[in-house]
Amino acid sequence: AQKVTQAQTEISVVEKEDVTLDCVYETRDTTYYLFWYKQPPSGELVFLIRRNSFDEQNEISGRYSWNFQKSTSSFNFTITASQVVDSAVYFCALSEINSGNTPLVFGKGTRLSVIA
Amino acid sequence: DTGVSQDPRHKITKRGQNVTFRCDPISEHNRLYWYRQTLGQGPEFLTYFQNEAQLEKSRLLSDRFSAERPKGSFSTLEIQRTEQGDSAMYLCASSLAGGLSLTNEQFFGPGTRLTVL
Repeated sequence: AQKVTQAQTEISVVEKEDVTLDCVYETRDTTYYLFWYKQPPSGELVFLIRRNSFDEQNEISGRYSWNFQKSTSSFNFTITASQVVDSAVYFCALSEINSGNTPLVFGKGTRLSVIA
Repeated sequence: DTGVSQDPRHKITKRGQNVTFRCDPISEHNRLYWYRQTLGQGPEFLTYFQNEAQLEKSRLLSDRFSAERPKGSFSTLEIQRTEQGDSAMYLCASSLAGGLSLTNEQFFGPGTRLTVL
């Protein structure tokens, strides 16, 4: 069974602080993709990153970085020097490839509030 | 570059009425997905198409829900005899799959917010 758990429901930080959003997943597939999406107050889901199960290299994109660890089934997301515009709900998602389950399975999301 | 579009953006209806939503995917995308999102939850998968073929529909919430993609381009999601519990955001996403493209990167539309009174 596929499952994505985002244990942090809400996080508040002061602008310029670093913040890490946790994501833990469950899958029986050996080949899968992990994703992060951002949902700002406007409501539209914005794609941030995709990582496949064969690539455990950490990735950095500007102020964003992702830490993928298969050993702990985690795919955590860190925002460095947070800004007010980062305030949104962030979703982690899983897509299995071997079993053909390409639809995304989402976690419940973490609401991030960045306070000026 | 045109993204995924959905129409209408908002729909208010009375219980028992039928509603239909439309999704226009990114033009070169062959896969189209429907999800439902309720307050405080992540999107929940409903059904998806590859071209005009509906590959998975067992997750549709009840037999009141149906979806079509007759020409492999736009898709419609219909809810018959709406109930208050159907109130939610209905999201459409599209992706390019097949050949060397296995990334399953899905791009989402703005959603249709349904309120059933």
